[in-house]
Amino acid sequence: AQSVTQLDSHVSVSEGTPVLLRCNYSSSYSPSLFWYVQHPNKGLQLLLKYTSAATLVKGINGFEAEFKKSETSFHLTKPSAHMSDAAEYFCVVSDPYSGYSTLTFGKGTMLLVSP
Amino acid sequence: DAGVTQSPTHLIKTRGQQVTLRCSPKSGHDTVSWYQQALGQGPQFIFQYYEEEERQRGNFPDRFSGHQFPNYSSELNVNALLLGDSALYLCASSWSPGGSTGELFFGEGSRLTVL
Repeated sequence: AQSVTQLDSHVSVSEGTPVLLRCNYSSSYSPSLFWYVQHPNKGLQLLLKYTSAATLVKGINGFEAEFKKSETSFHLTKPSAHMSDAAEYFCVVSDPYSGYSTLTFGKGTMLLVSP
Repeated sequence: DAGVTQSPTHLIKTRGQQVTLRCSPKSGHDTVSWYQQALGQGPQFIFQYYEEEERQRGNFPDRFSGHQFPNYSSELNVNALLLGDSALYLCASSWSPGGSTGELFFGEGSRLTVL
């Protein structure tokens, strides 16, 4: 069985300050990990993915995440928050042996960005 | 190029009724997955269709059924609706059951309210 735990339900930052969204995973296999973002009234969009290549993964809109096997973590970061980053972020794990389409989502972290 | 489209966007039903939700995948995609997102939760995998057959299924009762048509579009049917079925139902498409990149393309969802 595989699962992800997002450690914060809400994170508040000021525009221009760094963003850190925390995620721990549990998987019986070498996992594939993703971050998806959900803006209000919009579909989920893939931010970045880790599939056993480089441990530091760069995504869209300046986001990046680092896979740390020893800590079973896959935290999402961005050096400087923008107002448009306000959204809900989901950490996602997939067992590559059962197919990438069967994703297991965390409960989400709502990112609030203040001026 | 149209992305994943879902209909209807919103609907209200009463307990015991039946509902059908529809999804057209992104052009070039042949696999459709359905997810249920309850309020304040991450999406949960319902099932996946490929080549007009259900290939994988999550932990959902038989009241949830689906279909995929030759043009790759899909329907999700829920019978004997319960209050707990109220949720956002998301359709996601990819170009094979596994997908080469692990990226799913999501629609904006159908919000079902059961009274």
